[in-house]
Amino acid sequence: TQLLEQSPQFLSIQEGENLTVYCNSSSVFSSLQWYRQEPGEGPVLLVTVVTGGEVKKLKRLTFQFGDARKDSSLHITAAQPGDTGLYLCAGNPFRDSNYQLIWGAGTKLIIKP
Amino acid sequence: NAGVMQNPRHLVRRRGQEARLRCSPMKGHSHVYWYRQLPEEGLKFMVYLQKENIIDESGMPKERFSAEFPKEGPSILRIQQVVRGDSAAYFCASSPRRTGQGWNSNQPQHFGDGTRLSIL
Repeated sequence: TQLLEQSPQFLSIQEGENLTVYCNSSSVFSSLQWYRQEPGEGPVLLVTVVTGGEVKKLKRLTFQFGDARKDSSLHITAAQPGDTGLYLCAGNPFRDSNYQLIWGAGTKLIIKP
Repeated sequence: NAGVMQNPRHLVRRRGQEARLRCSPMKGHSHVYWYRQLPEEGLKFMVYLQKENIIDESGMPKERFSAEFPKEGPSILRIQQVVRGDSAAYFCASSPRRTGQGWNSNQPQHFGDGTRLSIL
């Protein structure tokens, strides 16, 4: 069974601090996606990483795909209250389809003003 | 989340009743995916449909659950004879075509805001 472990499960920090959340697996993925989900809403795609070692930046968010395509990290610089939410990673084990994603349980992030 | 409409947003049913969850995909999208999310967990794939076709229902329980996406109208996820364990948030996503065609073509799915199903 393929699993994606996200850590930490919960993180509460002050505005302005930096943080990193992790998404780890023993399985190789064709690609990996990061989503943010706010209470009462559906997940919103932030980024897709495809190549081992790939780094993508989205303003203050930096996403990295591990060299072996088994893990990924999300780093937020100078966190702001608007970053609060549930961050989900989802791995795609297949090259030619993207719907049978393996989902992590999420990191619940709270940024205190 | 704009564009994928799910209704109702909240649904309360008693054990043994039927639950019908609707999903209207984004305009121009012909592929629909249903997921289930339990509290503190990620999403679990249930079923993938195109217009009038079920492409993959491997994630859906074989009994009591069914899904359709008719030529006209929304996609429907139907749960018959609901039990307490069916309580969850059910999300629908849509895409204009099968996502991920080609190794570097990871076209995203656009999610609705979900239906929260509570079974009394």
